[in-house]
Amino acid sequence: AQTVTQSQPEMSVQEAETVTLSCTYDTSENNYYLFWYKQPPSRQMILVIRQEAYKQQNATENRFSVNFQKAAKSFSLKISDSQLGDTAMYFCAFMKHRSQGAQKLVFGQGTRLTINP
Amino acid sequence: DTAVSQTPKYLVTQMGNDKSIKCEQNLGHDTMYWYKQDSKKFLKIMFSYNNKELIINETVPNRFSPKSPDKAHLNLHINSLELGDSAVYFCASSQAHSGGPVSYEQYFGPGTRLTVT
Repeated sequence: AQTVTQSQPEMSVQEAETVTLSCTYDTSENNYYLFWYKQPPSRQMILVIRQEAYKQQNATENRFSVNFQKAAKSFSLKISDSQLGDTAMYFCAFMKHRSQGAQKLVFGQGTRLTINP
Repeated sequence: DTAVSQTPKYLVTQMGNDKSIKCEQNLGHDTMYWYKQDSKKFLKIMFSYNNKELIINETVPNRFSPKSPDKAHLNLHINSLELGDSAVYFCASSQAHSGGPVSYEQYFGPGTRLTVT
């Protein structure tokens, strides 16, 4: 079974700073997907960024980037120039790859990120 | 336009009651999911349906019964509600089989906060 671990329950930084959220996972699969989801106080689950395990290049979406270390089974999220609107719970998630078929997301425990003005 | 919608958004009820949560997606996806987020914010898959067929059924009490009248709808019925059922329930959808562009991304609804008193 796959497991996802986020070792930082809470983090807090000043606005405009850079912050990195950690995530490690355990799997025997070779092909899979990794995600970071954001859950603001509105409760909505918002996909921030995704990474395919077969891609060596780290994914980037504007101020959000990941450091994917497949051998180490590590998938950290870096938020640059943090903004007040980045305040939220952040969840790391794992999904097995299948060419077709429903696949469940396995989530980490979450990191509560607070951006201070 | 709302992609994945859930009704109701809030549900307060007493122990022993039976309640239903409805989910609808207008993305044309063929697969829908129910996730449960507990009081510690941990998210876990409950069920997945593809074209009205149950695909994923995690270890969930049989008081929980999903029903999919068509591929755009997945409802969750809960019998004999217990205090421990209090949680936020998320519906999600994805295109997991050919017949559309297969995507591993899951799109979440806004969640239903269920409180059992």
